[in-house]
Amino acid sequence: DQQVKQNSPSLSVQEGRISILNCDYTNSMFDYFLWYKKYPAEGPTFLISISSIKDKNEDGRFTVFLNKSAKHLSLHIVPSQPGDSAVYFCAASAGVAGNTPLVFGKGTRLSVIA
Amino acid sequence: NAGVMQNPRHLVRRRGQEARLRCSPMKGHSHVYWYRQLPEEGLKFMVYLQKENIIDESGMPKERFSAEFPKEGPSILRIQQVVRGDSAAYFCASSSSGGVKYEQYFGPGTRLTVT
Repeated sequence: DQQVKQNSPSLSVQEGRISILNCDYTNSMFDYFLWYKKYPAEGPTFLISISSIKDKNEDGRFTVFLNKSAKHLSLHIVPSQPGDSAVYFCAASAGVAGNTPLVFGKGTRLSVIA
Repeated sequence: NAGVMQNPRHLVRRRGQEARLRCSPMKGHSHVYWYRQLPEEGLKFMVYLQKENIIDESGMPKERFSAEFPKEGPSILRIQQVVRGDSAAYFCASSSSGGVKYEQYFGPGTRLTVT
């Protein structure tokens, strides 16, 4: 039973345009969400996070939107650059403790075409 | 480099042998997590440790797998009597302490191949 779902295995975007990566979750206990970027043969790199008390968090070219009622979040990258080409994982955690295990989606492979 | 360190990066074992994977957390981090990634899958949580304590091992197989994080030295994930299905990338992450959510920072992973 997948609690975090990334329904698009891949996405291609033209350089300079907006990339939108989507993520859905089923567990109402999730209260913290993160996006990670992963290059081949490397570990995931933390990108941006959002608490469930917010609906938007922005960091440079990256913005994460959270719609709690729909149990949906999205990562916007604008403008997209060729170096953004990687696999993006959505992750979620639950519980009041500060440190809890993450539940990951299967990832979306983003290709930014020059 | 103050990042999460993992070694070895690649490990080849024959069926029935033991595999030992090591993880040194980021400086100042006292929480360590192990995740496994099978091909074309997301990362799956295995175990969460603090120094000398296993906090949550709900994702770890009950047999053949064990983990520790001693007072001194790196965290070790140990797989006894490896089977082909254990072939995967094993990632370690660390985070700092606190009462609010803290991001986990990942190491480069150990790719285990069982022949």
